Amino acid sequence: KNQVEQSPQSLIILEGKNCTLQCNYTVSPFSNLRWYKQDTGRGPVSLTIMTFSENTKSNGRYTATLDADTKQSSLHITASQLSDSASYICVVSVRSTTDSWGKLQFGAGTQVVVTP
Amino acid sequence: ETGVTQTPRHLVMGMTNKKSLKCEQHLGHNAMYWYKQSAKKPLELMFVYSLEERVENNSVPSRFSPECPNSSHLFLHLHTLQPEDSALYLCASSQDMTLYSGNTIYFGEGSWLTVV
Repeated sequence: KNQVEQSPQSLIILEGKNCTLQCNYTVSPFSNLRWYKQDTGRGPVSLTIMTFSENTKSNGRYTATLDADTKQSSLHITASQLSDSASYICVVSVRSTTDSWGKLQFGAGTQVVVTP
Repeated sequence: ETGVTQTPRHLVMGMTNKKSLKCEQHLGHNAMYWYKQSAKKPLELMFVYSLEERVENNSVPSRFSPECPNSSHLFLHLHTLQPEDSALYLCASSQDMTLYSGNTIYFGEGSWLTVV
């Protein structure tokens, strides 16, 4: 079972509207949580990264929130644009006892389609 | 442009062929990674190199052979692949391997591999 679950799997929104994507994780011990944007046929690009002490971080029209107690994060897209059509990937960093550098656990992504 | 360049972008190969994927990073990073991305699945870590030394091999079949001649270049040599190996192969780099501290991973655009 994947330790990073994203929902919804996909969504369609009208240009100009807002939307929120969800990420629930079970990995432990938690170090940080990242959101990436991946355009079709391209590599992922970092949007935000938050440590357990941060509960919100913004990058332009993208705002990520984190509740480390409930192990939930969300990514809010404000006033969506056609260029926001992409897959959004939640990534959780774990620091384990067997390695000192940490590992990344990836969600399967939420596919967002923005229509005119 | 993320500073990580992958070639070729697309590759079609037969199951008996030998081919290589190339990655070059222009960021002065010390850690480089190969990931596999299959449709609707989370990214899978294949190999990790730190200062040209392989530090992780995630039970990847021997038909995939990595090579890191220096800290800026990474290769993935492919030999006698199977159709199920068809996927997007992503190269990435980070300043070092301490991902728990929040180092950003920068991805290349990926190499689309189709095995026929």
